[in-house]
Amino acid sequence: AQSVSQHNHHVILSEAASLELGCNYSYGGTVNLFWYVQYPGQHLQLLLKYFSGDPLVKGIKGFEAEFIKSKFSFNLRKPSVQWSDTAEYFCAVSVKTSYDKVIFGPGTSLSVIP
Amino acid sequence: IAGITQAPTSQILAAGRRMTLRCTQDMRHNAMYWYRQDLGLGLRLIHYSNTAGTTGKGEVPDGYSVSRANTDDFPLTLASAVPSQTSVYFCASSPGLNTEAFFGQGTRLTVV
Repeated sequence: AQSVSQHNHHVILSEAASLELGCNYSYGGTVNLFWYVQYPGQHLQLLLKYFSGDPLVKGIKGFEAEFIKSKFSFNLRKPSVQWSDTAEYFCAVSVKTSYDKVIFGPGTSLSVIP
Repeated sequence: IAGITQAPTSQILAAGRRMTLRCTQDMRHNAMYWYRQDLGLGLRLIHYSNTAGTTGKGEVPDGYSVSRANTDDFPLTLASAVPSQTSVYFCASSPGLNTEAFFGQGTRLTVV
């Protein structure tokens, strides 16, 4: 069965610190990969996505993620976080050929301290 | 403004009552989805529809039903609510396979 794990439940960083949020998935076939962000009281928004091609993808607000196929990982990074990055971050995996096989990770709550 | 509208934004419901959560999108997306968000579990797919007239079951469909009479609307019905259905419900849409999803603002449902 497909599953997505995120390494950290809650991360606390000071402003300007670097961020890396881990995401691993288990599925042997071809997948699409996503990171979504949910700011307090808001809906989920897409940060970035990987469908194919360059495994290093850049998203909005200075975020990037690297797909490492051999490790089934899609870690999210940002070199310098800001207070406004405080949010819940969700990794998601979808099977390319199926509408219903979209699995979200449990989420990582990021708190950035000014 | 294009997007997804969910109603109501929040609701307290007595157990055993019937409830329909409404979802409308104006982006002409083919696919629509209903998720529930629970702390520590992320989002779990309840039902989906890849095109008008077609629906399918997701990971946690029991106790829920959906319909897709047209492209824009995708209501979610709880026939007889139970406390374990207390959650935040998100409707989403996407243009099709291999595209990202766009989410509504969510409906916070409390079943007492």
